[in-house]
Amino acid sequence: AQSVTQPDIHITVSEGASLELRCNYSYGATPYLFWYVQSPGQGLQLLLKYFSGDTLVQGIKGFEAEFKRSQSSFNLRKPSVHWSDAAEYFCAVGEGRGGADGLTFGKGTHLIIQP
Amino acid sequence: EPEVTQTPSHQVTQMGQEVILRCVPISNHLYFYWYRQILGQKVEFLVSFYNNEISEKSEIFDDQFSVERPDGSNFTLKIRSTKLEDSAMYFCASSEEQGVQETQYFGPGTRLLVL
Repeated sequence: AQSVTQPDIHITVSEGASLELRCNYSYGATPYLFWYVQSPGQGLQLLLKYFSGDTLVQGIKGFEAEFKRSQSSFNLRKPSVHWSDAAEYFCAVGEGRGGADGLTFGKGTHLIIQP
Repeated sequence: EPEVTQTPSHQVTQMGQEVILRCVPISNHLYFYWYRQILGQKVEFLVSFYNNEISEKSEIFDDQFSVERPDGSNFTLKIRSTKLEDSAMYFCASSEEQGVQETQYFGPGTRLLVL
């Protein structure tokens, strides 16, 4: 069964600084990978997803993520964070068996932005 | 922008009581999902639903749980006899098509507290 690990429970970054949130997955075949963000009181919003092709994926709000098969990683990056980026970030993997597949999520990383 | 809505935002219930959590998926979506997140733990897939049938369910989704699309807009999750360990945030999601590559749009969640 697939699994997702987000090793950082909390990360604090100064506004304007760069950001990298780590995600490692365990899955036998090529995974379908996602990053979601949850702001307080809001639902999970998809930032970006990777299925195949270019391993560097661009998403919304200036985020990008890079799929590295050799490291089983799909880290999320942003060159310069804004205070509005403070939120909970979830990495997820899908198995792609067909049908209405459920996603497997990591525990999330809580991002705190310092002024 | 269309969004998934969930009601209530918070629910408190006594152990052994039945609860119904309600979701209104995005109107042209055909695939519906429930996930839950116990405090401090991962978001976990419960069940997916299409064409008035369960497509897939996890081992968490036992006989205490049921889902229904009672009309053309609502999608409900019923817990027949709640236990303390059912306390969690419950997320509804919907997607336009099937397959894990399809984006699942999440609602803001219902926080359930079982006393």
